Amino acid sequence: SQTIHQWPATLVQPVGSPLSLECTVEGTSNPNLYWYRQAAGRGLQLLFYSVGIGQISSEVPQNLSASRPQDRQFILSSKKLLLSDSGFYLCAWSWEGTQYFGPGTRLLVL
Amino acid sequence: KQEVTQIPAALSVPEGENLVLNCSFTDSAIYNLQWFRQDPGKGLTSLLLIQSSQREQTSGRLNASLDKSSGRSTLYIAASQPGDSATYLCAVDMNRDDKIIFGKGTRLHILP
Repeated sequence: SQTIHQWPATLVQPVGSPLSLECTVEGTSNPNLYWYRQAAGRGLQLLFYSVGIGQISSEVPQNLSASRPQDRQFILSSKKLLLSDSGFYLCAWSWEGTQYFGPGTRLLVL
Repeated sequence: KQEVTQIPAALSVPEGENLVLNCSFTDSAIYNLQWFRQDPGKGLTSLLLIQSSQREQTSGRLNASLDKSSGRSTLYIAASQPGDSATYLCAVDMNRDDKIIFGKGTRLHILP
């Protein structure tokens, strides 16, 4: 069966510090991968998606970037965090129209 | 631009009641529609997926309907239980690229 992992589960970072969130998927190959952010009162916002290694599409201009160094690994990064980057970050993969989500990383930027 | 709206934003009902959650979308040219459940501080769990050619899907006590022409979907929960308390999100996929657009969810509380 397929599983999706995210770490860390919770992160508190100062403004201006770098960020690296990791997502890995097991039990499938060449999945479509997605990064979402869920902020209070704003719903889920798609940040990045990837259809293959090294292929990243950005949905909104922002302070974040994404990379896919391996087939089942998706990384969300920032060089300098802003207060507005706080939120709940969710990674997902899709198969035949259904999306499967990871447990999420709660990021608090102070 | 597609917009997905869920009403109400929050709902409290006594245990045992049947209930309906509503989702509407502005662009009816969707590929599919999906209902998710999210428990506090957790990821999302897919409940039901309705393809654009389908009218409804059922899973246990859950039934989701789709009226594509009017831009509406409903999630019907029968015989509600306290364990059903969660936020329910509706999402539409426009182009079969799985870049789905979410509503803000309905926060459901089932009173024991």
